[in-house]
Amino acid sequence: GQQLNQSPQSMFIQEGEDVSMNCTSSSIFNTWLWYKQDPGEGPVLLIALYKAGELTSNGRLTAQFGITRKDSFLNISASIPSDVGIYFCAGPRVYDKIIFGKGTRLHILP
Amino acid sequence: EAQVTQNPRYLITVTGKKLTVTCSQNMNHEYMSWYRQDPGLGLRQIYYSMNVEVTDKGDVPEGYKVSRKEKRNFPLILESPSPNQTSLYFCASSLSPDRYNEQFFGPGTRLTVL
Repeated sequence: GQQLNQSPQSMFIQEGEDVSMNCTSSSIFNTWLWYKQDPGEGPVLLIALYKAGELTSNGRLTAQFGITRKDSFLNISASIPSDVGIYFCAGPRVYDKIIFGKGTRLHILP
Repeated sequence: EAQVTQNPRYLITVTGKKLTVTCSQNMNHEYMSWYRQDPGLGLRQIYYSMNVEVTDKGDVPEGYKVSRKEKRNFPLILESPSPNQTSLYFCASSLSPDRYNEQFFGPGTRLTVL
């Protein structure tokens, strides 16, 4: 069945560095969603993308809907300690179901 | 305050002892869903409900039951829990099924089955 592959699985970066992560699928998606999960909390929606090629920002976060509709990218600029957490991509598989990637865990080194 | 609440937040139980995890939302949302989160596997949907008395299976429904008798509540029932159901469970809701991208997640319930 459809799967979303996230890369990398985890990242260790220094505060202030930029971060890039991506999500790919063997199937076409019409919507891409990016969520963040803080430690001990439920996921929170960061950015939603609805159109191939779309580039959307939310503060220091920028996400892009790939032209092929089979991938999406999330960038975080000038990382800060509160960026720590797990980032999930997600997309609707059919009308009423969403599938999630396995997540990218972001660590920030002191 | 608009929110999704789950109870309990933490639960340790033994194999075979029936349990219920409650989920409630105060936003008059139609769509509600249960997920489990396991290391390395991300979030997987267990069951979902598009409205009162309408429920359907997600990707991993085996061993679980749900009910939707009222719009605000969507309990998850484990009739005979087993150790492989040890996981972190999240309830989520959105205004309507076509606005799944606006899902609000609860704080999670960490379940351990011994």
